[in-house]
Amino acid sequence: KQEVTQIPAALSVPEGENLVLNCSFTDSAIYNLQWFRQDPGKGLTSLLLIQSSQREQTSGRLNASLDKSSGRSTLYIAASQPGDSATYLCAVNEAAGNKLTFGGGTRVLVKP
Amino acid sequence: GAVVSQHPSWVICKSGTSVKIECRSLDFQATTMFWYRQFPKQSLMLMATSNEGSKATYEQGVEKDKFLINHASLTLSTLTVTSAHPEDSSFYICSVNRNNEQFFGPGTRLTVL
Repeated sequence: KQEVTQIPAALSVPEGENLVLNCSFTDSAIYNLQWFRQDPGKGLTSLLLIQSSQREQTSGRLNASLDKSSGRSTLYIAASQPGDSATYLCAVNEAAGNKLTFGGGTRVLVKP
Repeated sequence: GAVVSQHPSWVICKSGTSVKIECRSLDFQATTMFWYRQFPKQSLMLMATSNEGSKATYEQGVEKDKFLINHASLTLSTLTVTSAHPEDSSFYICSVNRNNEQFFGPGTRLTVL
């Protein structure tokens, strides 16, 4: 059974610092991996999707890497801003069109 | 991407009543929709996979008679929490899969008194 872990559970940084969020999964036979952002009381916003054949994806200040063999993905957020404060979730998809298995999330606070 | 809506955004009900939550795919036809539940400060747990025109597939430990799912059209799936109890209070979120990427609705906050 796939298990997804995110460390740390919470992170507080001063504005301008780079953020590094970690995600690990136990079964490397994944189809793809998604990173989401969730604001309090809201739904999830998809940030980045990495296919199993890819090593990384970039969107603006966000960069996500994937090392499938070691079961790890890392989300980097450059030059953090207070508006980046949210919970970040990673989730793995084990087959096309299939359900997601989520990690516990990392709660990020960026202090002005 | 895909645009997903949910209705209502929040609902408060008395114990023993039933509550229906709607999930709509606004810009494409979804043969499959997913229903998740999220307790405070916890991650999302998949409850069931809703299949258009056929029965939903429930995850282990989820009571299908308590959480009724109907996927009557390619743009609408409904989740009915029957005989709701305070322990059913949670945040319910649906999602659709488009080109193997999942997009989520804004969620429905259910509070059972």
